[in-house]
Amino acid sequence: ETGVTQSPTHLIKTRGQQVTLRCSSQSGHNTVSWYQQALGQGPQFIFQYYREEENGRGNFPPRFSGLQFPNYSSELNVNALELDDSALYLCASSLGSGGLYNEQFFGPGTRLTVL
Amino acid sequence: QKEVEQNSGPLSVPEGAIASLNCTYSDRGSQSFFWYRQYSGKSPELIMFIYSNGDKEDGRFTAQLNKASQYVSLLIRDSQPSDSATYLCAVNTNKAAGNKLTFGGGTRVLVKP
Repeated sequence: ETGVTQSPTHLIKTRGQQVTLRCSSQSGHNTVSWYQQALGQGPQFIFQYYREEENGRGNFPPRFSGLQFPNYSSELNVNALELDDSALYLCASSLGSGGLYNEQFFGPGTRLTVL
Repeated sequence: QKEVEQNSGPLSVPEGAIASLNCTYSDRGSQSFFWYRQYSGKSPELIMFIYSNGDKEDGRFTAQLNKASQYVSLLIRDSQPSDSATYLCAVNTNKAAGNKLTFGGGTRVLVKP
C-alpha cells in the first residue's frame, strides 16, 4: 500500500508570486483534504476534494484554489503570495467524504517560505 | 471561544509515568475525535480515534470520550522518551463546510529519562 506523497518538500517564493503544490493520495482513497499549519499552531482546513469536486472550504481567500484529478491526486494553487502564507502545507487522504468514519492520513507536507 | 482547545504545555513527564492530555470542543454535533502525534518538523501521524462515549485502548494509548461534557482525553502509559512530541486533538464536525477536521493547537509533551 502506497502512502500519501507530496511535492516539493520545500519551496521558497517571493511576495506576489504563484505556487502549485502537489499531492498523491494513499492507494484506494478518493478524498483529499488540504491544511495549512503555521509554526506553533494546529493545522487549519483549507478545502477538501471528493471525486474531483470541491466538497467544502475553510476560511481561506479565493486566491487559494485546488484541483483533483481522475486518479485522485490533487493540486493546491496559491496566487499573489503573501508573507503570512509561509507555513507547512499538508495534504491528507481518506476514503469517502462523509459519514462517521473520516480517518485522514497525512503526507509529509510542503514547507513554503515567502520572502 | 476556540472550537477545539488544548493546553499548549509543555507537559513534562518522567519516563515510565502516565501522560494525560486533555481536549475540549465547542460543537455538540461533533461525531468523531482523533489524536495525532507530530514530531518537530514532521507531519501529523494518526495514533487513535474514538466515536463512542467511554474508553478505547490501543497498546499504551487510551482515548476517553465524554460527549456530554464535550471532552476527550488521551492517556499514554509507560511514557518513553520517543513519545516526546506535540499531540494534536482533532474533531470531525461533518458539516456542510466539508467533512473537515478541526484541530486544537496541540500539547507539547516532554518525557524525561
